[in-house]
Amino acid sequence: NAGVTQTPKFQVLKTGQSMTLQCAQDMNHEYMSWYRQDPGMGLRLIHYSVGAGITDQGEVPNGYNVSRSTTEDFPLRLLSAAPSQTSVYFCASSFTPSPVANYGYTFGSGTRLTVV
Amino acid sequence: AQKVTQAQTEISVVEKEDVTLDCVYETRDTTYYLFWYKQPPSGELVFLIRRNSFDEQNEISGRYSWNFQKSTSSFNFTITASQVVDSAVYFCALSENNNAGKSTFGDGTTLTVKP
Repeated sequence: NAGVTQTPKFQVLKTGQSMTLQCAQDMNHEYMSWYRQDPGMGLRLIHYSVGAGITDQGEVPNGYNVSRSTTEDFPLRLLSAAPSQTSVYFCASSFTPSPVANYGYTFGSGTRLTVV
Repeated sequence: AQKVTQAQTEISVVEKEDVTLDCVYETRDTTYYLFWYKQPPSGELVFLIRRNSFDEQNEISGRYSWNFQKSTSSFNFTITASQVVDSAVYFCALSENNNAGKSTFGDGTTLTVKP
């Protein structure tokens, strides 16, 4: 049981390049989300999905696209990388909240992205 | 809009001291969930606890305890007899209603436990 798998772990991009951060989960979670973490700040939500075929914007969606064609996969695309997108990116997944269960997000190990 | 405030940016204690991490939240929803996550120096994010808005019972798990008070919109986290391994960044988070994909995080509190 792998949990949430993110690839790559590290990436350096040149300004203007595009790339896709991969995220896959094997827990059959309905919800999947992408966050970015900048130094001294909490996690900020980029995009999220409540199920296959359904996505929505979070707090900082500009410059990023997502799609959710399957329950398992939720890739994050950087359209034209900018230095302001230098950050650590976390993918997370969760079940639908249940009043009787104590669980939260399961996070991937993160992708450290540098845009030069 | 929802908001989570962790006013303590950094806390430093000596091993075996008790320490409380504060979390204050804002939300217009009557149904919401509060969370604490731990991020050790290795960088991964680990889920610790979740509380529902309609359940104000305090929770204790070993050396960890959580105090949820709706009257003050607070969800504080206490570590009893702290250990060096507790050194980490701790995040409080809030998700409204039934949307588990849309959590708002505080900026985190960096806890350093010195031997």
